[in-house]
Amino acid sequence: AQSVAQPEDQVNVAEGNPLTVKCTYSVSGNPYLFWYVQYPNRGLQFLLKYITGDNLVKGSYGFEAEFNKSQTSFHLKKPSALVSDSALYFCAVREPGAGSYQLTFGKGTKLSVIP
Amino acid sequence: ETGVTQTPRHLVMGMTNKKSLKCEQHLGHNAMYWYKQSAKKPLELMFVYSLEERVENNSVPSRFSPECPNSSHLFLHLHTLQPEDSALYLCASSQDMGNTIYFGEGSWLTVV
Repeated sequence: AQSVAQPEDQVNVAEGNPLTVKCTYSVSGNPYLFWYVQYPNRGLQFLLKYITGDNLVKGSYGFEAEFNKSQTSFHLKKPSALVSDSALYFCAVREPGAGSYQLTFGKGTKLSVIP
Repeated sequence: ETGVTQTPRHLVMGMTNKKSLKCEQHLGHNAMYWYKQSAKKPLELMFVYSLEERVENNSVPSRFSPECPNSSHLFLHLHTLQPEDSALYLCASSQDMGNTIYFGEGSWLTVV
């Protein structure tokens, strides 16, 4: 069964500093990995995904994520945090294959960027 | 503007009421989903429709009844809900199941 873990409930970072939001996964085969962001009182917005290819994936709003197969991780990163990046971030995984479609989401990490 | 529109955004209903949540997607997708988001719990997939046929029903109580009249519209009919059903209900769509899912803004449901 596929699973995803976000080990930190909350991450605090000063504005202008680099940020990392951690995600590890467990899946049979090569995973499809996703990051979503949820601003207060809003739905989830797609940020980026890894299917295959380069381990470093670039996404919306200056975010990127690095796929590390040996560590089964897919951490979200941004070189310089903005106060407007404060939100709830969700990592998601699904198994590869045409018959697999269900995404498993992590519990979310609350990012607070301090001015 | 997410391409997936949900109405109403907020709904308060009594346990004996019947109400419906509506979702419309403008992305030309052929798969639609209902998710439930409760405080401090992972996102729960409730229903999946592909080409207007229900594919998944994750052991959801019968007081939740989905309807997908066409590939652009999805409804969630609510009847005799319980207070623990209070949550954010998210509609989503994708081009084929398993591809990137795009969410609506959600409908906040409070059952009193």
